[in-house]
Amino acid sequence: EAQVTQNPRYLITVTGKKLTVTCSQNMNHEYMSWYRQDPGLGLRQIYYSMNVEVTDKGDVPEGYKVSRKEKRNFPLILESPSPNQTSLYFCASSSYRGEQYFGPGTRLTVT
Amino acid sequence: EDKVVQSPLSLVVHEGDTVTLNCSYEVTNFRSLLWYKQEKKAPTFLFMLTSSGIEKKSGRLSSILDKKELFSILNITATQTGDSAVYLCAVEASYAGGTSYGKLTFGQGTILTVHP
Repeated sequence: EAQVTQNPRYLITVTGKKLTVTCSQNMNHEYMSWYRQDPGLGLRQIYYSMNVEVTDKGDVPEGYKVSRKEKRNFPLILESPSPNQTSLYFCASSSYRGEQYFGPGTRLTVT
Repeated sequence: EDKVVQSPLSLVVHEGDTVTLNCSYEVTNFRSLLWYKQEKKAPTFLFMLTSSGIEKKSGRLSSILDKKELFSILNITATQTGDSAVYLCAVEASYAGGTSYGKLTFGQGTILTVHP
């Protein structure tokens, strides 16, 4: 089944404790992207990647890192999480100019 | 800074009504406009529009883009309760002479509620 998977789905952590949210797709898509969704602010793009070893900043990259060492994986790293990074995070992938598939979301709470 | 504005922010209708959702945008180096539907989970893709005046259609949903006036509309005819959702509009920009793409800016969304 074609899908984008994210792990973990739910995470409660404390300020400053490094964490990684994994994202993996099995559709051989070139393009992958991370978003955060907050009430009243909608979906905002954090980082995106056009292909392996090619990443670029979205609108809200501060406090986040990404890497794209393999085509199928695009982890999101929070080196020192803060409470303002509490949010719902989505990973998505697509082929070149194709339909974008979203993962199920990761709900992160930073206390 | 790229900007996408959707209107109305919320809409309540009855089954069978027709609705029109609006999306206006300001973006440098426009590449495409996308519509998504989001129920209580991840967004699902509806349409991608790149050319003005060409209607895209899927069942009761249709959408069209006007690149001169910088807006798009999403129409839903004969609405059903299952159409209740947040409808998201996003624009994609290209950079570096068109070789870089994939930067998306989303609007706030339109919350559609369809009553039986």
